[in-house]
Amino acid sequence: DIQLTQSPSSVSASVGDRVTITCRASQGIRISLAWYQQRPGQAPKLLISATSTLQSGVPSRFSGGGSGTDFSLTISSLQPEDFATYYCQQVSSFPYTFGQGTKLDIK
Amino acid sequence: EVQLVQSGGEVKKPGQSLRISCKGSGYTFASNWIGWVRQKPGSGLEWMAIIYPGDSDRTYNPSFQGLVTISVDKSLSTVYLQWRSLKASDTAIYYCVRQGHHTSGSSFDYWGQGTLVTVSS
Repeated sequence: DIQLTQSPSSVSASVGDRVTITCRASQGIRISLAWYQQRPGQAPKLLISATSTLQSGVPSRFSGGGSGTDFSLTISSLQPEDFATYYCQQVSSFPYTFGQGTKLDIK
Repeated sequence: EVQLVQSGGEVKKPGQSLRISCKGSGYTFASNWIGWVRQKPGSGLEWMAIIYPGDSDRTYNPSFQGLVTISVDKSLSTVYLQWRSLKASDTAIYYCVRQGHHTSGSSFDYWGQGTLVTVSS
């Protein structure tokens, strides 16, 4: 199985801050990586597919990058609604796997 | 509008069987893979299984193979997840997900609202 390791596991930040979450794969996955946001009590929501493709309706302050084994999600200027848990996921090969999650909370 | 609507929460005893459902609408149901993702209380996401409604081709995460069964009724636009004998450790929220096409990254682009399954004696 391909393991995904996110860092940090949790981060505290303020509104307006720039935050970057990284996701490292245990083997190369080309650009087959997605990012999801999960707010408390809600289903996850797809933010970014294929490493850097922003989904329709997702604010442009979110961006993704990387390839191979190292990937990142950046939020350029945090808004109150961005405080949530973020997961990366690889869809390069079965079994699909998720990172352990990064909880972003208010400082 | 694409929607995945799941069946309601369930409370079961260990050893009982269960089938939960996920009905798709707003798109051509047969042309996207549909899967299930588990989230245990306070934990992360685990992909369990996926099925292609067009021909019922399916793949399981080896961690769940033999423990659950994924199936589809194309005439009802509904995918199911079934247990023969539940354990307390099956207590979780189960999400159905639609996988987008390869051209759009093959990610899980739509999620159901989740079905809470509680297994307790």
